[in-house]
Amino acid sequence: QSALTQPPSASGSPAQSVTISCTGTSSDVGGYNYVSWYQQHPAKAPKLMIYEVNKRPSGVPNRFSGSKSGNTASLTVSGLQAEDEADYYCSSYAVSNTVVFGGGTKLTVL
Amino acid sequence: EVQLVESGGGLVQPGRSLRLSCAASGFTFSAYAMSWVRQAPGKGLEWVSGIDNNADSTYYADAVKGRFSISRDNFKNTLYLQMNSLRAEDTAVYFCTKGLTSGWFPWFDPWGQGTLVTVSS
Repeated sequence: QSALTQPPSASGSPAQSVTISCTGTSSDVGGYNYVSWYQQHPAKAPKLMIYEVNKRPSGVPNRFSGSKSGNTASLTVSGLQAEDEADYYCSSYAVSNTVVFGGGTKLTVL
Repeated sequence: EVQLVESGGGLVQPGRSLRLSCAASGFTFSAYAMSWVRQAPGKGLEWVSGIDNNADSTYYADAVKGRFSISRDNFKNTLYLQMNSLRAEDTAVYFCTKGLTSGWFPWFDPWGQGTLVTVSS
């Protein structure tokens, strides 16, 4: 399976909003509502931020939101805070019961 | 508090085998699906394998199918990954992850701290 496409980097100033895209195909992102997003700080384990396109696990701030249109999913972080600076990965269910991840986006809070 | 502690990583020669373990605590292990995800040094995440709560169903990435085997012992609260015919490209930190339900779905929370597997001669 090919990796999902994410921009290598994104940035925003504190209190601003930033959106990270994740583009796949009809065999993954576009075919299922099984997109999730993970946050990873340096040398730390990833943390689930969004699952099933737009659901937030308990404890994740509502500043984080997810959406999907066609073959592209998006993660929006509103009211940027310094601690949001991290790598973000999208993932999707793909055909034949597999999972594909995006290449990751480094979010910088200016 | 949910805890996932991986072990079994290390340096191994190409073609050899290794078995990873993940000791789970803080939740009813037998009620949740589990998965392994890996991350090569300086690279992104790559899903490896998943298993439902009763081990009735297992799932594998194409890159490891036929070489890796996932299993679990619900009495010992432990998840395993048997890795055979290891290749240099299997070098990565291997994370143990918990699902949100008994059935396997493609989201993982939380994650262990990982165990490093290095395949090199």
